[in-house]
Amino acid sequence: DAMVIQNPRYQVTQFGKPVTLSCSQTLNHNVMYWYQQKSSQAPKLLFHYYDKDFNNEADTPDNFQSRRPNTSFCFLDIRSPGLGDAAMYLCATSRKTTGTEQFFGPGTRLTVL
Amino acid sequence: GENVEQHPSTLSVQEGDSAVIKCTYSDSASNYFPWYKQELGKRPQLIIDIRSNVGEKKDQRIAVTLNKTAKHFSLHITETQPEDSAVYFCAAHTGGFKTIFGAGTRLFVKA
Repeated sequence: DAMVIQNPRYQVTQFGKPVTLSCSQTLNHNVMYWYQQKSSQAPKLLFHYYDKDFNNEADTPDNFQSRRPNTSFCFLDIRSPGLGDAAMYLCATSRKTTGTEQFFGPGTRLTVL
Repeated sequence: GENVEQHPSTLSVQEGDSAVIKCTYSDSASNYFPWYKQELGKRPQLIIDIRSNVGEKKDQRIAVTLNKTAKHFSLHITETQPEDSAVYFCAAHTGGFKTIFGAGTRLFVKA
């Protein structure tokens, strides 16, 4: 089945220790998104890629970086996780940037000790 | 800035009753309005969407209405069932490349 896959599903890291979350898709969509979702809140867009073009949200901290080496894969790097970065991280894809459904992965729950 | 407000934050209904969730948006250039359902511990999934050239759309027990003049859109669920219990997010695609989500409505359907 075509889908959006995220690994790992659960990630525990220590304060300040870099961590990388991964996302892959078999939908061949042009756009890939990373969202941060804290408990009982709406997903908050961190950045997105349209093909290889990277678009950062103005309020995304510098601590968060992303890489998209090819159409299928996208990575979220958190350089120095703080306690406030503990959240669910959702990857999503869409065919276009506007007017189309976003398909979400199952998410990675990040715990920072 | 661009904003989507969603009400209520929590909604409790009896099984079989209707549920209505309302959203307003600020960017008049918004042209696409999806609704996502997120069950506990699961990913958000699209349940219905509407484009700015349409006033109403229905899919079985779910309907969405859009009032472009008022910049207001609503989700209507009829004959609610316990499996409808979830968090529902409205969203608006702005004139740029951005999707703005509402804060979410936690729907409880009591059997």
